[in-house]
Amino acid sequence: AQSVAQPEDQVNVAEGNPLTVKCTYSVSGNPYLFWYVQYPNRGLQFLLKYITGDNLVKGSYGFEAEFNKSQTSFHLKKPSALVSDSALYFCAVNAATASKLTFGTGTRLQVTL
Amino acid sequence: NAGVTQTPKFQVLKTGQSMTLQCAQDMNHNSMYWYRQDPGMGLRLIYYSASEGTTDKGEVPNGYNVSRLNKREFSLRLESAAPSQTSVYFCASSETSGGYLSTDTQYFGPGTRLTVL
Repeated sequence: AQSVAQPEDQVNVAEGNPLTVKCTYSVSGNPYLFWYVQYPNRGLQFLLKYITGDNLVKGSYGFEAEFNKSQTSFHLKKPSALVSDSALYFCAVNAATASKLTFGTGTRLQVTL
Repeated sequence: NAGVTQTPKFQVLKTGQSMTLQCAQDMNHNSMYWYRQDPGMGLRLIYYSASEGTTDKGEVPNGYNVSRLNKREFSLRLESAAPSQTSVYFCASSETSGGYLSTDTQYFGPGTRLTVL
């Protein structure tokens, strides 16, 4: 069975500082990894995904994520946080042999002035 | 281009009542999904449809039925609502069908907040 862990329920960052939202996964075979963001009272919006190739994936709104196969991690990063980045972030994984996306429990990012 | 739309936005039901949640997408996507979101549990897949005319159970299908009415529309029905079905329901769609679901990006609707008393 495939699974995703987001070890932090909440991450607090000051505006202008770098941010990291952590994600680790477990799958059989090659993983396909996704990050989604959810703003209050809205649906999930796609940020980026890793399918194959370069381990550093760049996505929307200046976010990037690094795939680390040995550590089975796919942490989301941004060099300089904005207050408008405050939202709920979900990591998700799918295996090549699976037919459904498995989501983590989400990490709330709070960016303050 | 509205993307994925869902109706209603909010609904309150009494235990035992039935209702249908509607979902439509205008992106010509082949696959559609229904999820529920509960605090501390992330999103869990209820049912999905990998192509028009097919539906399959997800992780938590009990108490729900679905209909893929056509390529655009995918409805979720609660025949006899229970308080445990209080949740936020999201519909999503993705482009490809059949065995290529693994790498697909899913696009989500705004959600339906359902309360069952």
